[in-house]
Amino acid sequence: AQTVTQSQPEMSVQEAETVTLSCTYDTSENNYYLFWYKQPPSRQMILVIRQEAYKQQNATENRFSVNFQKAAKSFSLKISDSQLGDTAMYFCAFMKRSTNDMRFGAGTRLTVKP
Amino acid sequence: SAVISQKPSRDICQRGTSLTIQCQVDSQVTMMFWYRQQPGQSLTLIATANQGSEATYESGFVIDKFPISRPNLTFSTLTVSNMSPEDSSIYLCSALRLDSYEQYFGPGTRLTVT
Repeated sequence: AQTVTQSQPEMSVQEAETVTLSCTYDTSENNYYLFWYKQPPSRQMILVIRQEAYKQQNATENRFSVNFQKAAKSFSLKISDSQLGDTAMYFCAFMKRSTNDMRFGAGTRLTVKP
Repeated sequence: SAVISQKPSRDICQRGTSLTIQCQVDSQVTMMFWYRQQPGQSLTLIATANQGSEATYESGFVIDKFPISRPNLTFSTLTVSNMSPEDSSIYLCSALRLDSYEQYFGPGTRLTVT
């Protein structure tokens, strides 16, 4: 079974600063995807970034980037130039290609302070 | 991307009754899923909604309690049957596009059972 671990239940960062959210996972699969989702208080799940396991290059989406370390099974999210609108729960998720079902970590509650 | 709508957005139901939640996707997607999320917690996969056949349930979830239909590629329903207060939760529908391996989520249905 796949497990996803987010070891930081809560984090805070000052506006305009950079913050990194941690995620580790456990799997015996070779073909999978990793995701970061944002869930603001409105509870709408928003896809932030996606990484394909067979790609060594780290994914980047504007202010969001990941540090994917496949051997270490680590997938951290870096948010640069944090904005107040980044305040939300952030979930790390794993999906194996063979079944396409997604498993989520426990989440990290991020607060951006003005 | 895909836009997903859910109805109802929230409901308060009495113990012993059933509620059917509808999920509509604005484009054809290959796979649809149903999740449950307790307030402040992570998402737990209930089942994969298969078009034209029985849903595939995760451990701990059974068809008699959570019957699911998916009559076509863009629509699915989840019924929460014989409800008890323990069923109070947020239920989310999601859809996966296999051409991009991006999974999108509906806004969720907040269910309270009294």
